[in-house]
Amino acid sequence: GENVEQHPSTLSVQEGDSAVIKCTYSDSASNYFPWYKQELGKRPQLIIDIRSNVGEKKDQRIAVTLNKTAKHFSLHITETQPEDSAVYFCAALNTGNQFYFGTGTSLTVIP
Amino acid sequence: DTAVSQTPKYLVTQMGNDKSIKCEQNLGHDTMYWYKQDSKKFLKIMFSYNNKELIINETVPNRFSPKSPDKAHLNLHINSLELGDSAVYFCASSQDRDAFFGQGTRLTVV
Repeated sequence: GENVEQHPSTLSVQEGDSAVIKCTYSDSASNYFPWYKQELGKRPQLIIDIRSNVGEKKDQRIAVTLNKTAKHFSLHITETQPEDSAVYFCAALNTGNQFYFGTGTSLTVIP
Repeated sequence: DTAVSQTPKYLVTQMGNDKSIKCEQNLGHDTMYWYKQDSKKFLKIMFSYNNKELIINETVPNRFSPKSPDKAHLNLHINSLELGDSAVYFCASSQDRDAFFGQGTRLTVV
């Protein structure tokens, strides 16, 4: 199966600074990489995704980059705001149509 | 309209009991999943079900069994509950891209 590693496990940034979360995956056949945000007591919700034929994707303050050769992808949040505080998960979709999640990053944005 | 709904939201039960969690999706997705989120917030895949093909994560005890009466439902049955089964269980569905999650069922075994 797929193995997804995520770092860091916790991240604190000052409001307005940038936050970067990194993930690696093991299965070179995985072809879809979504990122989820989970607020306390809520369900994980998709915030951005990227397919393996794309190197970078941006949506307002959020961007994701993918390096297929190195099998790693990253989430970048710019101009962070307190409401960005949550647990973020990366995931990889393998050829068996199963989503494997990273271990999560607890992001705290300090006002 | 709720895309993926699961019931109950909270479940407290004694060790040794058998319980079920229900999941329904109205998105027309082909694939449904069950995930377990433990106290450390790790999201671990338990099962995926696609066109009557069940893929089971090898670490899941056989006390857990998914049942899919039709494409829109994937229920989770748990026999002989143990303390370590306490967690939040999420149902999800997908169609070739991101997974939509239900609101979760917090299971507490006492």
